[in-house]
Amino acid sequence: QQQVRQSPQSLTVWEGETAILNCSYEDSTFDYFPWYHQFPGESPALLIAIRPVSNKKEDGRFTIFFNKREKKFSLHIADSQPGDSATYFCAADSGGSNAKLTFGKGTKLSVKS
Amino acid sequence: NAGVIQTPRHKVTGKGQEATLWCEPISGHSAVFWYRQTIVQGLEFLTYFRNQAPIDDSGMPKERFSAQMPNQSHSTLKIQSTQPQDSAVYLCASSFPSEVFFGKGTRLTVV
Repeated sequence: QQQVRQSPQSLTVWEGETAILNCSYEDSTFDYFPWYHQFPGESPALLIAIRPVSNKKEDGRFTIFFNKREKKFSLHIADSQPGDSATYFCAADSGGSNAKLTFGKGTKLSVKS
Repeated sequence: NAGVIQTPRHKVTGKGQEATLWCEPISGHSAVFWYRQTIVQGLEFLTYFRNQAPIDDSGMPKERFSAQMPNQSHSTLKIQSTQPQDSAVYLCASSFPSEVFFGKGTRLTVV
């Protein structure tokens, strides 16, 4: 059962454009939604995360938009740079003492200059 | 802080052999996770421990996979009778409290 769906599978944008990566989930108990990025040969690293007490979280050029009613959340990367090229994973968990992350299948982002 | 340390970084085993993967979590982190990453399946949860106790092993193939955490400083993932489909990058991670930090992984190749 795929509990976190991610799209698109791959995305190419030009330098300076905004990249938009999308995720949806099914489990209503999920209450923590992080995004990880992974560069080739490296392990995933936390980029930004949101809890559904708010519908937007910003950190520099990275913004998460969260829609609890539709069970969707997205990552917007403003002013994309070639150094942003990586695979991005969304994830979700239900928090608490037994938290475990369920990941989407990833979006491979390429930023062309 | 050296981060989550996984050894070996690469392991090649013959079909039917046993493979043991090691993980040293970040000191002070109470939760330790094992994930498997492949191109086809992406990141798959295998099992996790909290304060050394096994909490959830719902992602573990039951027959050949086992995980242990004998002390707070290391965890092992053992795969018996390895099969080609076990070839993957196995990632160990630790967390405290919510942010999960991954190790660099062990790339297992079963030939």
